[in-house]
Amino acid sequence: DMQMTQSPSSLSASVGDRVTITCRASRDIGNHLAWYQQRPGKVPTLLIYDASTLQPGVPSRFSGRGSGTDFTLTISSLQPEDFATYFCQNYDGAPLTFGGGTKVEV
Amino acid sequence: EVQLVESGGGLVQPGGSLRLSCAVSGFTFSSYTMGWVRQAPGKGLEWVSDINGSGGRTYYIDSVKGRFRISRDNSKNTLYLQMSSLRVEDTAMYYCAKAGDKSWYHYWGQGTLVTVSS
Repeated sequence: DMQMTQSPSSLSASVGDRVTITCRASRDIGNHLAWYQQRPGKVPTLLIYDASTLQPGVPSRFSGRGSGTDFTLTISSLQPEDFATYFCQNYDGAPLTFGGGTKVEV
Repeated sequence: EVQLVESGGGLVQPGGSLRLSCAVSGFTFSSYTMGWVRQAPGKGLEWVSDINGSGGRTYYIDSVKGRFRISRDNSKNTLYLQMSSLRVEDTAMYYCAKAGDKSWYHYWGQGTLVTVSS
């Protein structure tokens, strides 16, 4: 079965830090990868699709890179509202799969 | 404004059934793939199922195949998830979501909670 492995599962950071989260697919998925943010008690929101395309309205401090099996989400300068959990998602055919999540904490 | 509003969740005993609904507005419903994603308490996101715009193609995660059925009524702008033979491990918040050009989800409902317990 298709697996999406995110690392780290959690990290501690401070406002202003540069943060990078990694997502690895168990097979080549091209650029069919999205990133979501979920704040505590809230609905997930789309940040990036097609591995690197920023969803309209998402701040430019968020960026995505990668193709094939290895992908990264980078927050260039962490802001207070960015403390949340981040998920990657493969959409290269069913079953669609999410990574296990990365919790970004103070 | 795009809106997705789920309903139909609740408490059900193992082996029971529920039908979730998702009423949408603000876009041409029949033109878009729609999906269901669930999240068990304190856990991550799990894709459950999706359906193309016409309703002619459906997909499911293995753990729900044969028990859940996704459908849509494009005349009513409503998405459904019929769930049967429910298990304790199906307990989760169920979100309906609108897909973009491909199956990334750029609009989500607020979710409806399904609790399977005796």
